[in-house]
Amino acid sequence: DAKTTQPNSMESNEEEPVHLPCNHSTISGTDYIHWYRQLPSQGPEYVIHGLTSNVNNRMASLAIAEDRKSSTLILHRATLRDAAVYYCILRGDAGTSYGKLTFGQGTILTVHP
Amino acid sequence: NAGVTQTPKFQVLKTGQSMTLQCAQDMNHEYMSWYRQDPGMGLRLIHYSVGAGITDQGEVPNGYNVSRSTTEDFPLRLLSAAPSQTSVYFCASSELRRYRGLNGYTFGSGTRLTVV
Repeated sequence: DAKTTQPNSMESNEEEPVHLPCNHSTISGTDYIHWYRQLPSQGPEYVIHGLTSNVNNRMASLAIAEDRKSSTLILHRATLRDAAVYYCILRGDAGTSYGKLTFGQGTILTVHP
Repeated sequence: NAGVTQTPKFQVLKTGQSMTLQCAQDMNHEYMSWYRQDPGMGLRLIHYSVGAGITDQGEVPNGYNVSRSTTEDFPLRLLSAAPSQTSVYFCASSELRRYRGLNGYTFGSGTRLTVV
């Protein structure tokens, strides 16, 4: 399965934008890029996903590099409620990795008031 | 509210006991899966299912059984509990639309299991 690499931790101030990077140099053509976050003592929560084009939703934006070897999750205005572990995951659409989510260690985001 | 329901929320077992963790979803999702999360770690896939009657092993299947007799339910059975199975267990479901884009998973709130 293709792997992702994320920084262990990042910090931000409240109401500032946050850019969370993710490298996935071995991504295959059928892998979708998913982002989830996990607040303390809760289950993971879906944030956003994309294949090739940049994506926006009410929670965040996803910027995907042209070669698809990296992506960036953008939180436009961080709030204290955004403090969580953020996981960048490749979800396969073919073969033995079809449909599976393989979680790495994620990035711990700390938001300062 | 629509979503994934896991029961129980907390459970303490003695070594060697068996039990079933329940998972139900009301979104008509084809895909369901079980993960475990150990302290300070990411989630690891135990078993998954792409539809009723179809199950397969994930990364850490030993000591666990699953079945999928209906679209809605995906129970996880611990055959003979061991302290190494102390963990938080999450069930998740998703639509499965091959080649039309896979949607996000919906996770349950988890079952915190302690084996003594």
